[in-house]
Amino acid sequence: KNEVEQSPQNLTAQEGEFITINCSYSVGISALHWLQQHPGGGIVSLFMLSSGKKKHGRLIATINIQEKHSSLHITASHPRDSAVYICAVSFGNEKLTFGTGTRLTIIP
Amino acid sequence: KAGVTQTPRYLIKTRGQQVTLSCSPISGHRSVSWYQQTPGQGLQFLFEYFSETQRNKGNFPGRFSGRQFSNSRSEMNVSTLELGDSALYLCASSEQATGTGGAEQYFGPGTRLTVT
Repeated sequence: KNEVEQSPQNLTAQEGEFITINCSYSVGISALHWLQQHPGGGIVSLFMLSSGKKKHGRLIATINIQEKHSSLHITASHPRDSAVYICAVSFGNEKLTFGTGTRLTIIP
Repeated sequence: KAGVTQTPRYLIKTRGQQVTLSCSPISGHRSVSWYQQTPGQGLQFLFEYFSETQRNKGNFPGRFSGRQFSNSRSEMNVSTLELGDSALYLCASSEQATGTGGAEQYFGPGTRLTVT
């Protein structure tokens, strides 16, 4: 069964802390996406990865194909980073399968 | 470029009715995907259209259908609404079909459907 697991489900941290959110998947994929969803529902695509590492501002995403694992890191976290972060993968049948999301709260 | 737009943003319907939701992709994007988000099931894939053809369909009953027009705009229809269809319906557009080496998805704001 094609599965995507995220951890932790909830994460609360102080402003400035380094944040890591993890995503594991069960079988080989063609691509992995990290998405951000703010209250109100809007979803923004942060990264799309098939190998290696990508960086955008304070956000870094890595993927290890052999271990079937990806991480999203946020450096110098800020209250505006508070959101739900969702990992989604494209398996061989090409449709996106989503993780359950990580609710991140950054306290000033 | 304008982003992905969805209409209407909010909708209240009664059980047994049908509903049509609309999605206009980013100009030049030929792929439109639809997703359902509920508190219990999270985000689930409904279907994907590329150049007016359905490429993929998720595990939803036949009451859920969609189509794509020649200008890439897409509609989804839910017939015989049930209480469990209450959800946020999101569409996303991309330049390529989702599985083609992966394609970045641009999401619309969603339509929040409430079935009473």
